Amino acid sequence: AIQLTQSPSSLSASVGDRVTITCRASQGISTGVAWYQQRPGKPPKLLISDVSTLRSGVPSRFSGSGYGTDFTLMISSLQPEDFAIYFCQQFYDWPLSFGGGTKVQ
Amino acid sequence: EVQLLESGGGFVQPGGSLRLSCKGSGFTFNNYALAWVRQAPGKGLEWVAGISGGGVARYYADSVKGRFTISRDDSKNTLLLQAEHLRDDDTAVYFCAKGAPGTVYDSWGQGTLVTVSS
Repeated sequence: AIQLTQSPSSLSASVGDRVTITCRASQGISTGVAWYQQRPGKPPKLLISDVSTLRSGVPSRFSGSGYGTDFTLMISSLQPEDFAIYFCQQFYDWPLSFGGGTKVQ
Repeated sequence: EVQLLESGGGFVQPGGSLRLSCKGSGFTFNNYALAWVRQAPGKGLEWVAGISGGGVARYYADSVKGRFTISRDDSKNTLLLQAEHLRDDDTAVYFCAKGAPGTVYDSWGQGTLVTVSS
């Protein structure tokens, strides 16, 4: 099974900061990565699919990049509503899997 | 508006079983892949099982293979998860999720809590 390792597991940031979260796969997964945001007590929300495709309604301050084993989620200017936990997911192969999460606080 | 509503969670002893349901609305149910994803208290997300549109293909996480069965009843717009031989580490909120389409998930239910404890 493909393992996804996110780093850091948590980070402290302020409104206006640029935030970068990385996701490393245990084997090459081409462009089979998505990113989710989860706020406390809520289900996850899909932000980005296929490494860099922003979902409808997601602010343009979110962006994704990468290929193969190394992927990045960037928030260009952190907003108050962005304090949450972020998860990467691989859909390259079964069983699907998620990274361990990054808490932005 | 897409809605997914899970039910069937509760308290069960180790070795017991439970059947979770997820009722979908606001989309053409049979056209979409669906999945169960769980989250243990204070932990990350764990993909549990997925089923294709029409139900031909089913996939499982290694941690539940042989114990859990995913199925769907498209006539009732309902996704099911039969969970057997439950263990303490199956304790989690179980979310139902809809494919975007495919195997990223663009709509999620609020989840149903399963607690396995003696």
